[in-house]
Amino acid sequence: DTAVSQTPKYLVTQMGNDKSIKCEQNLGHDTMYWYKQDSKKFLKIMFSYNNKELIINETVPNRFSPKSPDKAHLNLHINSLELGDSAVYFCASSQVLSSMAEQYFGPGTRLTVT
Amino acid sequence: GNSVTQMEGPVTLSEEAFLTINCTYTATGYPSLFWYVQYPGEGLQLLLKATKADDKGSNKGFEATYRKETTSFHLEKGSVQVSDSAVYFCALYSGGYQKVTFGIGTKLQVIP
Repeated sequence: DTAVSQTPKYLVTQMGNDKSIKCEQNLGHDTMYWYKQDSKKFLKIMFSYNNKELIINETVPNRFSPKSPDKAHLNLHINSLELGDSAVYFCASSQVLSSMAEQYFGPGTRLTVT
Repeated sequence: GNSVTQMEGPVTLSEEAFLTINCTYTATGYPSLFWYVQYPGEGLQLLLKATKADDKGSNKGFEATYRKETTSFHLEKGSVQVSDSAVYFCALYSGGYQKVTFGIGTKLQVIP
């Protein structure tokens, strides 16, 4: 059973296009996240949702818009894609109000903008 | 704010060598500390964790001790294997709705 799944795994697109990445978790967690990992493996948090409510919104361009239809899903929509958006995007989930709140990561979506 | 400082890699070791990856942190209160591992082409997965001072987390032969006096959580393994080649992230969590703060990641390459 896949705990945190993302689709697609690879996404190649041209500058200016709009694309979406989907994420689902079957762990019953109350919090989900989007991270961006650059080519040097640096991991940067973008957004976090708790029970469908936005709780963390780091300095991210307005072209990125997360959407959480329910607490098991967190999707990421990106408008007007730019070359600098090329990266691996990871979805993660955790149970925030537990003592440990360890995070479970999806396999990643490698986005390439040409 | 919270921060995690990790040694920059890459670290290259021969099989069966001793591994240490340093991690120090700055945080208010009493954070939980983690090491995550990322194998090539995969997402991060939790390797070990510790929630309070002097706790030792351990898993798959890796160990790290939560040292509050030196604000450190160094990762160690006595004898590395080729299969340990991966990127290792130190992280801390202060609780509630705070974000998890990750270090920059240290790439480990183990050669036969």
